[in-house]
Amino acid sequence: TQLLEQSPQFLSIQEGENLTVYCNSSSVFSSLQWYRQEPGEGPVLLVTVVTGGEVKKLKRLTFQFGDARKDSSLHITAAQPGDTGLYLCAGDGWDYGQNFVFGPGTRLSVLP
Amino acid sequence: NAGVTQTPKFRVLKTGQSMTLLCAQDMNHEYMYWYRQDPGMGLRLIHYSVGEGTTAKGEVPDGYNVSRLKKQNFLLGLESAAPSQTSVYFCASSYDKPYNEQFFGPGTRLTVL
Repeated sequence: TQLLEQSPQFLSIQEGENLTVYCNSSSVFSSLQWYRQEPGEGPVLLVTVVTGGEVKKLKRLTFQFGDARKDSSLHITAAQPGDTGLYLCAGDGWDYGQNFVFGPGTRLSVLP
Repeated sequence: NAGVTQTPKFRVLKTGQSMTLLCAQDMNHEYMYWYRQDPGMGLRLIHYSVGEGTTAKGEVPDGYNVSRLKKQNFLLGLESAAPSQTSVYFCASSYDKPYNEQFFGPGTRLTVL
């Protein structure tokens, strides 16, 4: 069974700081997605990374997929209170006979 | 477009009672999914459907049944609720191959006493 771990579990920072959260696995995934979830709502897709070593930027957010397609990172530059939320990574294990696997999430709080 | 909607938003059941959660999507998506979200465990796939009239088991299917009689609707049933089924349930849908961008509903918070 493929599993995804995320670190840190909780992160509280001041507005303007930079941060990186990690998503790790011992298994290979066809692709990996990052979602953000706000309280009382469903997750919303931020990005999908497909190719090993791929880097995608979405305004102040930078996503990287590991060369071996087993891990990923999300870096936020100059965090803002609007970035507060639960960040979930999800791996597509369909091509490997597995389901779509979600990590437990990193809960980010950006204080003004 | 409403996207993905779920009813009800909240429900409290007693052990042994049954209920059905309804998910509807208006995006003409082929694929639909039911997840449960528990603290510290992320989302876990219960059942999914790759098209009208088809269903398949996910990671945690025990105690749940599903039906996809119409393309736009995906129903999740609990025949005999147990306290372990206390959770937040999310429905999602996607257009293309399984696990393409998933659009999630707002969730149903279920408590089983």
